[in-house]
Amino acid sequence: QSVLTQPPSASGTPGQRVTISCSGSSSNIGTNTVSWYQQLPGTAPKLLIYTNNQRPSGVPDRFSGSKSGTSASLAISGLQSEDEADYYCAAWDDSLNGWVFGGGTRLTVL
Amino acid sequence: QLQLQESGPGLVKPSETLSLTCTVSDGSITNSTYYWGWIRQPPGKGLEWIGSIYYSGATYYNPSLKNRVTISIDTSKNHFSLRLSSVTAADTALYFCVREAGVTIHPRMDVWGKGTTVTVSS
Repeated sequence: QSVLTQPPSASGTPGQRVTISCSGSSSNIGTNTVSWYQQLPGTAPKLLIYTNNQRPSGVPDRFSGSKSGTSASLAISGLQSEDEADYYCAAWDDSLNGWVFGGGTRLTVL
Repeated sequence: QLQLQESGPGLVKPSETLSLTCTVSDGSITNSTYYWGWIRQPPGKGLEWIGSIYYSGATYYNPSLKNRVTISIDTSKNHFSLRLSSVTAADTALYFCVREAGVTIHPRMDVWGKGTTVTVSS
């Protein structure tokens, strides 16, 4: 049981826009910033979004993040086949004094 | 560009201690901007934070693992290490080391090692 809650799966067709939600509590998302990670099959996770909505250099602007209260979302527009991956949200938790992750969302491009 | 490389035994017997090292290359582990951490991923499951360490030796551990985990740092060798004692099959996982940037503001895990698989079995 993960501290942050994500839907286990999401899907879309090429060109579509999909969103993935991440729900937490006042001790994590409600207080601290959210980061998102993309894990392509057989590879290590890669930082996709940090500080709720900032993209590291090299991440396409098709990827965007937002946060409101104790929830956050990752949006992917202009969906491409290479976006098929697992996506994880994460935040620092002040009660646990450590990082917490969502359970991950597997995105399928139909 | 800074790189991380995990190393250690791929097979550990139940009740024994798992030991892994993460070597930092093309960057200094004593950079005060960063923490260094361990994340694991059981087969077919999600990510779990194990713990983090600062170059000074200050540590944070996952409460669920705290009694069994020790993370240490060797600045002379530019590496940090994980020890997990009394392992069981539940500790079988892909173990990643990470760099944690912006810990006080804009925290994120911005560099990941490729991961190393550890299997607990007799």
